[in-house]
Amino acid sequence: GAGVSQSPRYKVAKRGQDVALRCDPISGHVSLFWYQQALGQGPEFLTYFQNEAQLDKSGLPSDRFFAERPEGSVSTLKIQRTQQEDSAVYLCASSLGQVNSPLHFGNGTRLTVT
Amino acid sequence: GNSVTQMEGPVTLSEEAFLTINCTYTATGYPSLFWYVQYPGEGLQLLLKATKADDKGSNKGFEATYRKETTSFHLEKGSVQVSDSAVYFCALTANTGTASKLTFGTGTRLQVTL
Repeated sequence: GAGVSQSPRYKVAKRGQDVALRCDPISGHVSLFWYQQALGQGPEFLTYFQNEAQLDKSGLPSDRFFAERPEGSVSTLKIQRTQQEDSAVYLCASSLGQVNSPLHFGNGTRLTVT
Repeated sequence: GNSVTQMEGPVTLSEEAFLTINCTYTATGYPSLFWYVQYPGEGLQLLLKATKADDKGSNKGFEATYRKETTSFHLEKGSVQVSDSAVYFCALTANTGTASKLTFGTGTRLQVTL
């Protein structure tokens, strides 16, 4: 594809609902990152995959957050029992995987928890 | 830990004015430094980067020089245009582990008027 694709673009969830956010990286990109961007803030690292292996999940804020990339391509970020503080834009980025390979970002999914 | 501090916005300039957005950082090791730009309704895009001390990154008339002695990476442009209106993020990677794991500043909104 031409770029990183994320869906849905917008998601409204009632507090306590589970949500799943999808990321389609650029074909051939082995590295995939998830970031969380709160309103008026910079993106904050959540987790990182190299192919299907989740190498770093140090940024996940709680055990309600779970990410997977089972075949080393598409990734899903799942948030269970959503809370209002989970409201943010969730960004996915991919890269070729070498040190200093530039990250290519998707347009993000804006999650609003009511 | 790693951190990035950038000047708060919004910054409002007239077209053809000179732009400086300050960025300073704290990092272990020898970080690479980046400026990303987010135009309205679009995803984050890499604007420029520098990977070692005294390097100058440049793109689209923007420049930034990696200053190790002052731990700074200030963004400059000699003559801004209305189309430069966007949010600008300074970021770093520490090159000590996860490829391209970025730490971002909080962003600076630039508004250019006619």
